[in-house]
Amino acid sequence: DIQMTQSPSSLSASVGDRVTITCRASQSIGSYLNWYQQKPGKAPRLLMYAASSFQSGVPSRFSGSGSGTDFTLTISSLQPEDFATYYCQQSHSIPLTFGGGTKVEIK
Amino acid sequence: EVQLLESGGGLVQPGGSLRLSCAASGFTFNNYAMTWVRQAPGKGLEWVSAISGSGGGTYFADSVKGRFAISRDNSKHTLYLQMNSLRAEDTAVYYCAKYRTGSSRDFDYWGQGTLVTVSS
Repeated sequence: DIQMTQSPSSLSASVGDRVTITCRASQSIGSYLNWYQQKPGKAPRLLMYAASSFQSGVPSRFSGSGSGTDFTLTISSLQPEDFATYYCQQSHSIPLTFGGGTKVEIK
Repeated sequence: EVQLLESGGGLVQPGGSLRLSCAASGFTFNNYAMTWVRQAPGKGLEWVSAISGSGGGTYFADSVKGRFAISRDNSKHTLYLQMNSLRAEDTAVYYCAKYRTGSSRDFDYWGQGTLVTVSS
């Protein structure tokens, strides 16, 4: 199975900050990497797919990059509605696996 | 508008069974693979199972293989998860989700989730 490791597990940031979350796969997954945002009590929301492609409706302050084993999700200017938990997910092979999550909190 | 509505969750004793349903609308159901993802209280997301659009291909996490079955009724636009031999560690909110494209393995629409609690 492919293990997905996210870092950090949590971070505190202020509105307007630039935030970067990293995700590392235990083996190469090409660009088969997706990012989700989840707010408390809500279902996850797809943000990015194929490492760097925007899902419809996602603000342009979000961006994704990487290939192989190392990936990043960047929020260029954190907004109040961005405080949430973010998960990466590999779609390279079954079983599909998620990272442990990164909780973005208000400083 | 795409909508996914799960039902069937509840309290069940260890060793018991439960069947979850996910009623889909707003898209051509049989054109898309579907999946179940769960989230234990206070924990992260765990992929559980997936099924192809035709229902001919099914896939499972090792943690549920042999105990859970996934199926779909394309005439009723409904996805199912039959859960047998339930354990305390199966306690979670179960989400159904739609593949973004026919077989993309990323999920663009999710239901609101249904809580399954396994406890005596």
